[in-house]
Amino acid sequence: DIQMTQSPSAMSASVGDRVTITCRASQGISNYLAWFQQKPGKVPKRLIYAASSLQSGVPSRFSGSGSGTEFTLTISSLQPEDFATYYCLQHKSYPWTFGQGTKVEVK
Amino acid sequence: EVQLVESGGGLVQPGGSLRLSCAASGFTFSSHDMHWVRQTKGKGLEWVSAIGTAGDTYYLGSVKGRFTISRENAKKSLYLQMNSLRAGDTAVYYCARSYLDVWGRGTTVIVSS
Repeated sequence: DIQMTQSPSAMSASVGDRVTITCRASQGISNYLAWFQQKPGKVPKRLIYAASSLQSGVPSRFSGSGSGTEFTLTISSLQPEDFATYYCLQHKSYPWTFGQGTKVEVK
Repeated sequence: EVQLVESGGGLVQPGGSLRLSCAASGFTFSSHDMHWVRQTKGKGLEWVSAIGTAGDTYYLGSVKGRFTISRENAKKSLYLQMNSLRAGDTAVYYCARSYLDVWGRGTTVIVSS
């Protein structure tokens, strides 16, 4: 199985900060990676697909990059509604695997 | 509106069975792979199972042999038959479309005596 290691597991940030979350795959997955946002009590929402493609309706302050084994989700200027938990997902091969999540909290 | 609605969750004793259902609407169900993803209380997301448009099936290792995914395209429905349930299967179970671009609201499964 492909393991996804996400870092950090939690972080504190302020509105306006640039936030970067990293996901590392245990083997190459090309660009078969997606990023999700989940707010407390809510359903996960896909933000990024194919490593760097922005889901329709998602603000442009979110961006994804990477290929192979190293991937990054960047929020260019953190907004109040962005405090949430973020997950990466590899879908290169079954079983699909998520990272353990990154909780972005208010500093 | 594209929508997925799960049902069938509940409280079951260890070793028991449950059948989850997911009703799809607003899109061509038969043209999409479908998935089950679960989330334990306060924990992360875990992919559980998938079924392709041709009926090919895939499972998380820990559920293989206990869970069976199926679909009924005429009814636009996805199912997850869960047998030999364990406490570790306690979670909110979501159905999701394709590359997880659309999710249902989830149904809660509690395995406890």
